Amino acid sequence: EVQLVQSGAEVKKPGESLKISCKGSGYSFTSHWIGWVRQMPGKGLEWMGIIYPDDSDARYSPSFQGQVTISADKSIGTAYLQWSSLKASDTAMYYCARDGSGLEYFDYWGQGTLVTVSS
Amino acid sequence: SYELTQPPSVSVSPGQTARITCSGDALPKQYAYWYQQKSGQAPVLVIYEDDERPSGIPERFSGSSSGTTVTLTISGVQAEDEADYYCQSADSSGAFVFGTGTKVTVL
Repeated sequence: EVQLVQSGAEVKKPGESLKISCKGSGYSFTSHWIGWVRQMPGKGLEWMGIIYPDDSDARYSPSFQGQVTISADKSIGTAYLQWSSLKASDTAMYYCARDGSGLEYFDYWGQGTLVTVSS
Repeated sequence: SYELTQPPSVSVSPGQTARITCSGDALPKQYAYWYQQKSGQAPVLVIYEDDERPSGIPERFSGSSSGTTVTLTISGVQAEDEADYYCQSADSSGAFVFGTGTKVTVL
């Protein structure tokens, strides 16, 4: 059974750094792109970027380029999303999801990680 | 990247048919996908490649495409279908684009 399990909720202050994780299991982790999606409170889904764990080829939405870093450790089947300096506007639910077929769509999703940034 | 436009809301009585549209200039050249997101839950894929249904998705969910518009149809709507629905496609660079989202209310 394919599963993506994300790390738990985080409460941070503005300016702090953060790295959240997404562990894949039940499939060949290195054979599927893993993407990240933001959902701000009461809003829609926004594609942030995606990574191919086998070679760590990462691609970003222009809206998120330079704002976050996507990485992966294929030895432990885990993808990451990190911020070096959080802002209050980063408060959102973040989902990881597995690409179903060559950068087309997401077939499996993680449960989401809620990030709250508040002073 | 381009935009995918959906109606903000659709209301339907139980047993009736709900149709949700998604419009975008690139849709004639790219497949569309649909996700259902129930309150407090992660999205779930309900339609892929315009009109294919993943295993485990009820037959009442179907998709179609015509020109720059794709449509998700829910036939015989049930109370459990109340959710937000998002279309999604990919642009030529491989970036994913999500639609604006449609809230389906079952009256």
